[in-house]
Amino acid sequence: QQQVKQSPQSLIVQKGGISIINCAYENTAFDYFPWYQQFPGKGPALLIAIRPDVSEKKEGRFTISFNKSAKQFSLHIMDSQPGDSATYFCAASNNAGNMLTFGGGTRLMVKP
Amino acid sequence: DAGVIQSPRHEVTEMGQEVTLRCKPISGHDYLFWYRQTMMRGLELLIYFNNNVPIDDSGMPEDRFSAKMPNASFSTLKIQPSEPRDSAVYFCASTPPGGRTEAFFGQGTRLTVV
Repeated sequence: QQQVKQSPQSLIVQKGGISIINCAYENTAFDYFPWYQQFPGKGPALLIAIRPDVSEKKEGRFTISFNKSAKQFSLHIMDSQPGDSATYFCAASNNAGNMLTFGGGTRLMVKP
Repeated sequence: DAGVIQSPRHEVTEMGQEVTLRCKPISGHDYLFWYRQTMMRGLELLIYFNNNVPIDDSGMPEDRFSAKMPNASFSTLKIQPSEPRDSAVYFCASTPPGGRTEAFFGQGTRLTVV
């Protein structure tokens, strides 16, 4: 199974709030889990990534939490800002190559 | 480096016409991917190349789609004949050697088939 399931499809958060996006996967061979951020009219760009040897990775206001036993990982955006409004994609790949399998995307809107 | 460069940025064509999308990956990157993005299906991997060789084309929807990579700095995705359901944003991405590394996406080509 190569599928990565992402939820919710859309999310509205007030400025200063916490945005949480969740992903689940089936393929236990996946060992690299990046998150991509996409603004309108642009291509996706890497935001943050995690490998399964750690349960959490934090970069500024962005944190990935990883639960290997549950085959789930999530993105938390602390102190969400209107500039964070974008579409977020989780993804996964394995060491067999660089091929990424993407989740369906979450459209985040942060209201001022 | 200017990043991954795609052309054209926008393409409007009539049903039945041939469409060619172009991509220049980042120099030194040895993987190249073609993705299609639609509201209904999200980001779908169509085909990817490693060192100019097609590795997996299982995502190519039909025989109307074909892709080539004649050298390390150029790839094309061709649709012939095009259909309205091919309307989407097509992205090209490249990654450096080493595995499990960042994929760099181009700005995409928005294709509209009328």
